[in-house]
Amino acid sequence: EAGVAQSPRYKIIEKRQSVAFWCNPISGHATLYWYQQILGQGPKLLIQFQNNGVVDDSQLPKDRFSAERLKGVDSTLKIQPAKLEDSAVYLCASGSNRVPEAFFGQGTRLTVV
Amino acid sequence: SQQGEEDPQALSIQEGENATMNCSYKTSINNLQWYRQNSGRGLVHLILIRSNEREKHSGRLRVTLDTSKKSSSLLITASRAADTASYFCATAIYNQGGKLIFGQGTELSVKP
Repeated sequence: EAGVAQSPRYKIIEKRQSVAFWCNPISGHATLYWYQQILGQGPKLLIQFQNNGVVDDSQLPKDRFSAERLKGVDSTLKIQPAKLEDSAVYLCASGSNRVPEAFFGQGTRLTVV
Repeated sequence: SQQGEEDPQALSIQEGENATMNCSYKTSINNLQWYRQNSGRGLVHLILIRSNEREKHSGRLRVTLDTSKKSSSLLITASRAADTASYFCATAIYNQGGKLIFGQGTELSVKP
């Protein structure tokens, strides 16, 4: 079974630029999460999808962050414009109704300079 | 804000010793999960304990859950250098459709 795929692995941008991250969950997983992990901290939930509907986006800074999951499969997370404090690892995870655990991708390390 | 608080923040032990990490949380949960993260990598699920369970074992891992105190502990017995990693507890919030909230983590260092 293929794992959660994320790209790119690394991204360096200047502040005020825009950036997008892509995630392909495990086949058949209805739940998809995006987390932000700042160095030395635990993952912070940004948004959770169930199929292509949003379950929770209470921690998503909606003035600059957006996410979509078209057709209930792949997902993209966008930041526009980026700030220095957005420097973090962005983790995508997926889950199914059969098992309650989440399966994580390797993450995208974003550096904003 | 994060749901879980973990302590200690960092733990350094010798190979062969046991490592104990604690997690406290705030709201009602369906289950509590522990994950491991090696430096620069994604998180890997270790073990899950449901809200109606009190103790669970998996290999060298032992997890306890006390819902009255809203706390959990993870014990790694006979630790190895390869256990060096960050460990996070995550709570599946009750009645919130699989919402999974992570604590701040414990950084474990096992010295050979």
